[in-house]
Amino acid sequence: DIQMTQSPSSLSASIGDRVTIACRASQDISGSLAWYQQKPGQAPKLLIYAASRLESGVPSRFSGSGSGTDYTLTISGLQPEDFATYYCQQFYGIPRTFGQGTNLDIK
Amino acid sequence: QVQLQESGPGLVKPSQTLSLSCSVSGGSFTRGGYHWNWIRQHPGKGLEWIGNTYYSGSTHYNPSLQSRLTISIDTSKNHLSLMLTSVTAADTAVYYCARSEWYGFDHWGQGILVTVSS
Repeated sequence: DIQMTQSPSSLSASIGDRVTIACRASQDISGSLAWYQQKPGQAPKLLIYAASRLESGVPSRFSGSGSGTDYTLTISGLQPEDFATYYCQQFYGIPRTFGQGTNLDIK
Repeated sequence: QVQLQESGPGLVKPSQTLSLSCSVSGGSFTRGGYHWNWIRQHPGKGLEWIGNTYYSGSTHYNPSLQSRLTISIDTSKNHLSLMLTSVTAADTAVYYCARSEWYGFDHWGQGILVTVSS
């Protein structure tokens, strides 16, 4: 299985801040990476796919980058609705695997 | 707009079989390019991909669950099913069905909590 490791596991930030979440794969996944946002009691929501492509309807303050084994999700100008848990996930191999999640809360 | 809805019992006894259904509406269930997935989330934990199926009936399973798992699809009824045998407390989770294209899980059901307990 491809292991996905996110850092940090938790993060405190303020409205308007720029935050970055990292995700490392245990092998080269050739950009086959997605990012999801999950709020309590809700299903995850796709934000970014193919490492850097913004899903339709997702605000442009969300961006993704990376290649090979290392990827990042950046949120520029945090809004109140952005405080949630974020997951990375690889689409390169079977089984599909997720990172352990990064909980973003208000400082 | 594609919508997915999970259904099934919320309580299953240990050693029994967990059976869930996912009804899909608002899209072409038999359109090529989509896989139909089951994903679960243990209470307070991260996400675990269980497996998927294609409209043709082909499947991919998580090796950690493969020996107990069956995922099937009924294109005439626009739904997919999950059966997980010999359940234990470790199978207690919120179970989601989700559609995927090549790049991500783009539509999800609301999830259903299944508790394994006597």
